[in-house]
Amino acid sequence: GAVVSQHPSRVICKSGTSVKIECRSLDFQATTMFWYRQFPKKSLMLMATSNEGSKATYEQGVEKDKFLINHASLTLSTLTVTSAHPEDSSFYICSARDSYNQPQHFGDGTRLSIL
Amino acid sequence: DAKTTQPTSMDCAEGRAANLPCNHSTISGNEYVYWYRQIHSQGPQYIIHGLKNNETNEMASLIITEDRKSSTLILPHATLRDTAVYYCIVRANTGTASKLTFGTGTRLQVTL
Repeated sequence: GAVVSQHPSRVICKSGTSVKIECRSLDFQATTMFWYRQFPKKSLMLMATSNEGSKATYEQGVEKDKFLINHASLTLSTLTVTSAHPEDSSFYICSARDSYNQPQHFGDGTRLSIL
Repeated sequence: DAKTTQPTSMDCAEGRAANLPCNHSTISGNEYVYWYRQIHSQGPQYIIHGLKNNETNEMASLIITEDRKSSTLILPHATLRDTAVYYCIVRANTGTASKLTFGTGTRLQVTL
């Protein structure tokens, strides 16, 4: 149980393109979803937290207009990297949980490469 | 979230128990201890969590000291597939503080 599916697993695109990443909870209702970013040989950095039907809460230093998050249903959240540039290249990982007292479960990540 | 301190790296022979320590001396009364691991190029995998009692599941055991200032994750019979970065995180289970903040973790290398 507690499976989180993330798609696509790998994206390579040109600078200036917008890229959408999907995160789905397959066997539970994800009341809260999280988006993380991880640079090579570094730890995961939380970008934003979203509750179903509400606007996302972004961590300090994360541009909300650059990283658009939508959490329209209890099983789906999307992260759109708008007008992506090479410095946005990273490993993006989503996470979900169904309630405060449950563990967060993670997707397998999306490796984004901007040329 | 309270900060945790873990060794940067550890080695363990296959088949032996891997004991991964974690210090969390500033843990608050409502904060749980969570353990995750991340195998290369994958998302983190939940292992176990606890508040003050020792916990065991099919993956591992978690031993929390009585004062809750430290804990140890035990993988009873390590295999090569257990090679990963292990993260010890303290997290409240209520409100806005209930998000996982990752430190640098312990890189466990299981060898033949």
